[in-house]
Amino acid sequence: KNEVEQSPQNLTAQEGEFITINCSYSVGISALHWLQQHPGGGIVSLFMLSSGKKKHGRLIATINIQEKHSSLHITASHPRDSAVYICAVRSSGGGADGLTFGKGTHLIIQP
Amino acid sequence: NAGVTQTPKFQVLKTGQSMTLQCAQDMNHEYMSWYRQDPGMGLRLIHYSVGAGITDQGEVPNGYNVSRSTTEDFPLRLLSAAPSQTSVYFCASSTRRQDLSSYNSPLHFGNGTRLTVT
Repeated sequence: KNEVEQSPQNLTAQEGEFITINCSYSVGISALHWLQQHPGGGIVSLFMLSSGKKKHGRLIATINIQEKHSSLHITASHPRDSAVYICAVRSSGGGADGLTFGKGTHLIIQP
Repeated sequence: NAGVTQTPKFQVLKTGQSMTLQCAQDMNHEYMSWYRQDPGMGLRLIHYSVGAGITDQGEVPNGYNVSRSTTEDFPLRLLSAAPSQTSVYFCASSTRRQDLSSYNSPLHFGNGTRLTVT
């Protein structure tokens, strides 16, 4: 079973700061997802990637397959970015999507 | 475009009671899954389905049943609720066709059901 580790567990930053959240996994994958869970509880998909880098607005996701590591960056952070960010990896087996989830990074952006 | 609809949003049960958590999607997705989310733990897979008429167990299936009679619906049944089943439950759906060239993920979640068993 793939082990997914996220760091940091908790992060508090000031508005405008550049944010980095890390995700490491133990065995090879076919894809990696970044998800966002707001205080109200709903989960929204941000990215799915299998190589390189993807960007959408102020969010950037990168993945290094050889090092089994991915990062989620937030530029010009804003209080509305406050949420739990979850990394999930898709490997063979383990369900319809074969997903194993990290425990999440709780991000708070202070004004 | 409703996406994934989960009901109810909140539920309180007494030990031994049964109930069904409903999940419906209108995106014609083949894959549907049920997860539970507990404090300090990642989402854990309960049951999943890769298409109508096909279901299988995930990581924590005990105490739960599912069925998939249509592509749209994937209900989760608790046969005899126990306090250990107090959790937040999420239904998710996705398509078999995974477009990795797009920035976003094809994974869609319902808004969750907060279940308390006393």
